[in-house]
Amino acid sequence: AQKITQTQPGMFVQEKEAVTLDCTYDTSDQSYGLFWYKQPSSGEMIFLIYQGSYDEQNATEGRYSLNFQKARKSANLVISASQLGDSAMYFCAMREGPNTGFQKLVFGTGTRLLVSP
Amino acid sequence: EAQVTQNPRYLITVTGKKLTVTCSQNMNHEYMSWYRQDPGLGLRQIYYSMNVEVTDKGDVPEGYKVSRKEKRNFPLILESPSPNQTSLYFCASSLRYSGTAEQYFGPGTRLTVT
Repeated sequence: AQKITQTQPGMFVQEKEAVTLDCTYDTSDQSYGLFWYKQPSSGEMIFLIYQGSYDEQNATEGRYSLNFQKARKSANLVISASQLGDSAMYFCAMREGPNTGFQKLVFGTGTRLLVSP
Repeated sequence: EAQVTQNPRYLITVTGKKLTVTCSQNMNHEYMSWYRQDPGLGLRQIYYSMNVEVTDKGDVPEGYKVSRKEKRNFPLILESPSPNQTSLYFCASSLRYSGTAEQYFGPGTRLTVT
């Protein structure tokens, strides 16, 4: 069974600094996808970034990048130049199943990020 | 605007009183899913649907029912709610065949069962 582990319940960072949120995963599938979602205090789930298991390059989306280390089964989220609006809960998730099929997401327990001025 | 809508957003009810949380998407997505979010547990899948009239259990289906009579709608039914179903519920949808397969989430429904 797939499993996602986020070992940091909470993280603090100062504005304008970079922060790394850790995520490790466990799967026996060769084809899988990894996602990061942001959940602000308002509650909605906001998609941030995606990395496919066969993607050779690390995914980037603006200030977000995903440090994908396949051999170590880790998919850490890096937020550069933190902003106050980045304060939120962050979830790592993995898509179970191949690209052309099943779209179930398995979520980690989340990391709460607090950005201070 | 592409979106997933859920209603109601907030609901307080009593044990045993049947309720339905509606979910609708306007993106013609085949795949729809329900999750519940509880502190310290992340999001867990309740039920999913690959297409009209095709539904299956997720990881925590006990106490819930779903139906998929139309492609756009995927209601979650609690026939006899209990306090342990107090949670934040999310509906999500995505294209079935897509590389990135981003799942679009609804705004969430906060349910309290007393």
